[in-house]
Order: sequence, then C-alpha cells, then structure tokens
Amino acid sequence: QITLKESGPALVKPTQTLTLTCTFSGFSLTTSGVGVGWIRQPPGKALEWLALTYWNDDRRYSPSLKNRLTITKDPSKNQVVLTLTTMDPVDAATYYCAHRHWGGVFDYWGQGTLVTVSS
Amino acid sequence: SFVLTQPPAVSAAPGQTANITCGGPNVADNSVHWYQQTPGQAPVLVVYDDSDRPSGIPERFSGSNSGNTATLTISRVEAGDEADYYCQVWDISSDHVVFGGGTKLTVL
Repeated sequence: QITLKESGPALVKPTQTLTLTCTFSGFSLTTSGVGVGWIRQPPGKALEWLALTYWNDDRRYSPSLKNRLTITKDPSKNQVVLTLTTMDPVDAATYYCAHRHWGGVFDYWGQGTLVTVSS
Repeated sequence: SFVLTQPPAVSAAPGQTANITCGGPNVADNSVHWYQQTPGQAPVLVVYDDSDRPSGIPERFSGSNSGNTATLTISRVEAGDEADYYCQVWDISSDHVVFGGGTKLTVL
C-alpha cells in the first residue's frame, strides 16, 4: 500500500525559505520509472505542478518557479524534500506530494499541508 | 509551454451524463489523466492514460482523447460526483507536468 505524507511549517514569513518533507512508504525511489512530485493549490484556485524527482536522480521544475525551487531525495529514508526560497503571500497554498507512475500520472497523493505566508 | 483549457463549470442533473473537456494543441499526442477533488480533500485519480480507470473507480467514469480535445464522461451522474475535476498531461517535449485550470461539476 502506497502512502505519502507532507510535513513542514504551517506559517512562514515573507522572504523566508520554505522547506517541506514528503515521507512515503509502499514503494522505492530506486525503482525504474518511479518519481515523486510536488503540486500546490492556493485557496480556491487550481492545482499547480512545482517539481519532480525521478528514480535516476533526474529532476524537473516548473518553468515559472525554477529559480526558487530545489527538490532532493533520500531513498534510504524514503523522503523527498522541496525548498522554495523567497516566500511571498502569493505562495500561500496547500502543498501536496504525489507518487508518479509510468506515463506521468500521479496515482497516489498525500493529504497535503497548508502553508500560510504572513509576517 | 503546453496549456490545457477546461470550462470553469459544468452542470448535470442526477442520472444524466456530464462531459468535461480539456483542450490543448494536439492534446491527443499526450496521455491525459483526470483527477477528482472534493472540498478539503486531496485529488483522486479517476481516469489515466486517456481512458483507463484505476481499481475502485466506477465504470460510470470514462475518458476519450482525440485531436485537440480530451473528454471525461461521467454517466448516470450522482450527487456524490459533485467536485472539481482536473486534467493533466506529461508534456514529453519539455518533460514538464501540466494541469488544466479545473472544472467544477454541479449536480442539479
């Protein structure tokens, strides 16, 4: 059974760096074709893809946020970490991590973690 | 970059059929995936690879993809189907993920 869970601060100040951790079980990030992605959703708005890390250590970023994002993985801990620098109130959102299967589909999602940006 | 366009809202009466479209240039060249999201919950995959259903998803959910439009079809709509629906592709050319803007399905 595949599960994922996001963790991190619920509140960050403007200009700070957000660090979120996705802890997963039921699969290995060393298995060919597997990936873990991050997706966010501002309140009342649509889903927005942020970043993706693959089993082979390849990484992809949203073009609009690539200069602020870093995704790393630690397969031994079953964790994927996302950092987003220079936080702004417009970055307030629920942040999800998800298991990526062959073909680019996100078949399992975490419950999400709500991040507020305020001084 | 690739853009997927969905209608903001669709409505259907119980028992009727709801069609939710997802438009993009030659979207049929990509595999389209569909997610259902109810308020306060994480998205749930309902259709993948244009027309396949994960286990546990009712047969009432089906999909198609041709030309510039992919479609999620919900037959015999139920009150519990009221939710936001998102289409998604993996743009092979850029190796980026793209989501549509979402469609709110209202069951009348």
